[in-house]
Amino acid sequence: DTGVSQDPRHKITKRGQNVTFRCDPISEHNRLYWYRQTLGQGPEFLTYFQNEAQLEKSRLLSDRFSAERPKGSFSTLEIQRTEQGDSAMYLCASSSTLAGRTSYNEQFFGPGTRLTVL
Amino acid sequence: AQSVTQLDSQVPVFEEAPVELRCNYSSSVSVYLFWYVQYPNQGLQLLLKYLSGSTLVESINGFEAEFNKSQTSFHLRKPSVHISDTAEYFCAVSDSSASKIIFGSGTRLSIRP
Repeated sequence: DTGVSQDPRHKITKRGQNVTFRCDPISEHNRLYWYRQTLGQGPEFLTYFQNEAQLEKSRLLSDRFSAERPKGSFSTLEIQRTEQGDSAMYLCASSSTLAGRTSYNEQFFGPGTRLTVL
Repeated sequence: AQSVTQLDSQVPVFEEAPVELRCNYSSSVSVYLFWYVQYPNQGLQLLLKYLSGSTLVESINGFEAEFNKSQTSFHLRKPSVHISDTAEYFCAVSDSSASKIIFGSGTRLSIRP
């Protein structure tokens, strides 16, 4: 399978704990995005990377959230001191900005990590 | 800033009937427009997109959408739906840099036999 993968698929944690999610993009995709989707809503943009550089962060990304993409391949999203309001599906997507690719800027989404904070 | 409005949260239709899912957007710059589909227990998949050129775009499974700049709309249509089209459909917009996608709140399409 050469699609975007995310791990874990489900995470249940207690309020106040830290959690970390991993995203592996499609090989050679240089852009990687994180979104959050709550029940009954569309995905909301959190942040994105081009290679290892984090180029944009949403105001939704509070100080408790941090994302990294240290080698320009996989990415991690960490939430510290989780709150019940953090319960959501966290989606990762990747895309390629390489010239000549017909799927330029098309974002391919992973299956998501569902976080439940008790 | 860009935004997307999907007026209908749910659309029930009978099998083989036509359907239209409405989408309006607002943006001060040129945009790319998308429809994504999320089947039950699956991830988001791109259904179709408008980048430039012909304002009518089609998907491989019979859906089409028309970009209407004057009405700032990008409605999704299918002349005859099937049970397998049951899913949640998201309209989305990005600017030409495509650094992020702004999604609507989604429309749940339910097909009755």
